[in-house]
Amino acid sequence: KQEVTQIPAALSVPEGENLVLNCSFTDSAIYNLQWFRQDPGKGLTSLLLIQSSQREQTSGRLNASLDKSSGRSTLYIAASQPGDSATYLCAVKGYTGANSKLTFGKGITLSVRP
Amino acid sequence: DTAVSQTPKYLVTQMGNDKSIKCEQNLGHDTMYWYKQDSKKFLKIMFSYNNKELIINETVPNRFSPKSPDKAHLNLHINSLELGDSAVYFCASSPGTHRAGELFFGEGSRLTVL
Repeated sequence: KQEVTQIPAALSVPEGENLVLNCSFTDSAIYNLQWFRQDPGKGLTSLLLIQSSQREQTSGRLNASLDKSSGRSTLYIAASQPGDSATYLCAVKGYTGANSKLTFGKGITLSVRP
Repeated sequence: DTAVSQTPKYLVTQMGNDKSIKCEQNLGHDTMYWYKQDSKKFLKIMFSYNNKELIINETVPNRFSPKSPDKAHLNLHINSLELGDSAVYFCASSPGTHRAGELFFGEGSRLTVL
């Protein structure tokens, strides 16, 4: 059974800092990995999708990497801004059976201080 | 032109009542999902439908019954509501089969059972 872990649960940084959010998963046989952002009281917004054959994806100040063999992904946020404050969730999708669904981590709540 | 829309956004009801949450997507996606986010913000899949066919049915009480009249709609009906059903329910959709593509989420429906 796939398990996704995101540590720490919360992070507070000053504005302008570059930061890395970590995600680890137990079953390396994944189809893809997706990073989401959730603002309080809102739904999830997809940030980046990495297919199993890819090693990274970039969008603006965000860069996500994937290392399947070690069961890890990182989301790098450059030059953080107060508007980046939100909860960031990582989710992995497997190939077959019970793991074919998207399994979420519990998220990292990021606070960027002005 | 909301992509995935859910109604109602808020629902407050008494224990024992029956309620429904509706979801519609205008993205032309084949697969739709219901996720539950509990008080600890943990997201867990409940159901997945592909072209109106049930694909994933997690261990969810029989009181929860999804219905997909067409591939653009996936409604969730809950019978005999219990206090523990209080949560935010998210609808999502993705293109292709349930193994492929990126997930797009609705804004969520916050259910409070008194």
